[in-house]
Amino acid sequence: DIQMTQSPSSLSASVGDRVTITCQASQDISNYLNWYQQKPGKAPKLLIYDASNLETGVPSRFSGSGSGTDFTFTISSLQPEDIATYYCQQYDNLPMYTFGQGTKLEIK
Amino acid sequence: EVQLVQSGAEVKKPGESLKISCKGSGYSFTSYWIGWVRQMPGKGLEWMGIIYPGDSDTRYSPSFQGQVTISADKSISTAYLQWSSLKASDTAMYYCARLAGSSNFDYWGQGTLVTVSS
Repeated sequence: DIQMTQSPSSLSASVGDRVTITCQASQDISNYLNWYQQKPGKAPKLLIYDASNLETGVPSRFSGSGSGTDFTFTISSLQPEDIATYYCQQYDNLPMYTFGQGTKLEIK
Repeated sequence: EVQLVQSGAEVKKPGESLKISCKGSGYSFTSYWIGWVRQMPGKGLEWMGIIYPGDSDTRYSPSFQGQVTISADKSISTAYLQWSSLKASDTAMYYCARLAGSSNFDYWGQGTLVTVSS
């Protein structure tokens, strides 16, 4: 099974900061990786698909990059409404859709 | 507008059975896989399984195979997740989500909270 390891597990940053979260796959998954945002008490929301494609309607301060085993999710300028937990998810090993363990983002 | 509307919160006792639902609208329900995702209290997301309502083809995560049953009734655009004998460890929020292509979950239901307690 493919394991997804996110880091850090939690992160505190100030408004306006550049925030980076990484996700590492246990084997090559090409670009078969998505990123989701889950705000407290809400369902997850798709932000980035296929490693680097911004979902329609998602602000451009969010971006993703990477391929193979190493992926990065970036918020270019943190906003108060970005407080959430972020998850990566792979889909290389269908029909398994493994999620990373999540990164909880807080405002400093 | 694509919508997935899930059934309401449930409180059950260990050993009881349960079936929760997820009704799709605003798109061709039979043309997209529907997935189920578990989130235990304070924990992360776990993919449980998917179903293709067009022909009821179903795939399970090994972690959930034999523990739950996923089904669908395409005539009423509804997918289901059911348990035959609940355990306290089934206490969690359960989400349904539409699978775009075979890659990402692009629309999500609001979640159904299942509480199992004696």
